[in-house]
Amino acid sequence: DSGVTQTPKHLITATGQRVTLRCSPRSGDLSVYWYQQSLDQGLQFLIQYYNGEERAKGNILERFSAQQFPDLHSELNLSSLELGDSALYFCASSVESLAGIYEQYFGPGTRLTVT
Amino acid sequence: GQQVMQIPQYQHVQEGEDFTTYCNSSTTLSNIQWYKQRPGGHPVFLIQLVKSGEVKKQKRLTFQFGEAKKNSSLHITATQTTDVGTYFCAGQLNRGSTLGRLYFGRGTQLTVWP
Repeated sequence: DSGVTQTPKHLITATGQRVTLRCSPRSGDLSVYWYQQSLDQGLQFLIQYYNGEERAKGNILERFSAQQFPDLHSELNLSSLELGDSALYFCASSVESLAGIYEQYFGPGTRLTVT
Repeated sequence: GQQVMQIPQYQHVQEGEDFTTYCNSSTTLSNIQWYKQRPGGHPVFLIQLVKSGEVKKQKRLTFQFGEAKKNSSLHITATQTTDVGTYFCAGQLNRGSTLGRLYFGRGTQLTVWP
């Protein structure tokens, strides 16, 4: 158990709908990262938040948005869903070590199926 | 933009054979990390390499970081069925002031035949 929790575990929805994925980082971790993993694909970095602020953006679509709340949990909002958005969505958290190195702890993921 | 390339994408070996996956970055890295994702699971941190030319071992796994800090490799000696999974390398660009973002390779999916 990495200490990172994600809900829901599975989500099935229809095209055009909107969903919200939730992530709670490990206690004390200030950074939260979101990744998308499609079948046989690597980890596509979507976005990073640090202590409530957006810090880095990757290949995140305009239909997707995220935020990190004061209690450090994060939500990823996916709207106008398309079939191609079906994927496993991982949240990860990290804390900076004294050496300035961040190792990431991944949650179990949310499997999204768009029908 | 920054890219981390990883090869091969797939590797099928018989139990007892060795396995190696290679990672190459377009720019110099601050450090490189390796993660393993078991089938149906989530990526799990294995190790990090920081120094130029660094070599670290974990039982049958040997990790290397290139002299120029642009490439890395993971070698598994005498694979076992428990080694099955996808191995990802992930590079970090800068220390300290960096945002902590990791640039992940595409991963190498290892299958081990008993």
